[in-house]
Amino acid sequence: QSALTQPPSASGSPGQSVTISCTGTSSDIGAYNYVSWYRQYPGKAPKLMINEVSKRPSGVPDRFSGSKSGNTASLTVSGLQAEDEAYFYCSAYAGNNLMVFGGGTKLTVL
Amino acid sequence: EVQLVESGGGLVQPGGSLKLSCAASGFTFSGSAMHWVRQPSGKGLEWVGRIRTKVNNFATAYAASVTDRFTISRDDSKNTTYLQIHSLKTEDTAVYYCTVGSTWGQGTLVTVSS
Repeated sequence: QSALTQPPSASGSPGQSVTISCTGTSSDIGAYNYVSWYRQYPGKAPKLMINEVSKRPSGVPDRFSGSKSGNTASLTVSGLQAEDEAYFYCSAYAGNNLMVFGGGTKLTVL
Repeated sequence: EVQLVESGGGLVQPGGSLKLSCAASGFTFSGSAMHWVRQPSGKGLEWVGRIRTKVNNFATAYAASVTDRFTISRDDSKNTTYLQIHSLKTEDTAVYYCTVGSTWGQGTLVTVSS
């Protein structure tokens, strides 16, 4: 049950698109379509942005999209806004009733 | 409105025990699996474990890093889930969240220090 791998940082200018990757293995991301993405502001609880690889919960802007290829999942934020500056975490079902998170990516809006 | 409220955190000495609570409202608690996640200050999220529903025999699952010291339980009559932690270590210092679906509580801070 190893943590998923995310880049520690990502950045983009307002209006641009940025993609954050989340790499796992054939036992977690590669095996199941249960990948979620969370946004977290400092000092606040995480907020679910994407679940089941690409599904947006009600109220999440369509600027946020998710995808998966092989053992890697991706979150794309389009039309970057200042409010998107936050930490983003991926999580995945790892089999055997276990869940695992990525280490987190700090998204900076330049 | 779906709401989760954690409580029970505080300062505990190494080797001590603590029982955290998570009170739920706004949804059918008895029909929902509940998860616990923790986050050390300045670090990332770590899944701790989960408890399923009565129809699934209240089955629990834990991260390998906590499986021998952590126990998750629930009381459906009180719409509350619990996280009992034994033999606390300094590395257990973190904010502990409960979560269900897309909802997270505000977290409760556990500090393990002498």
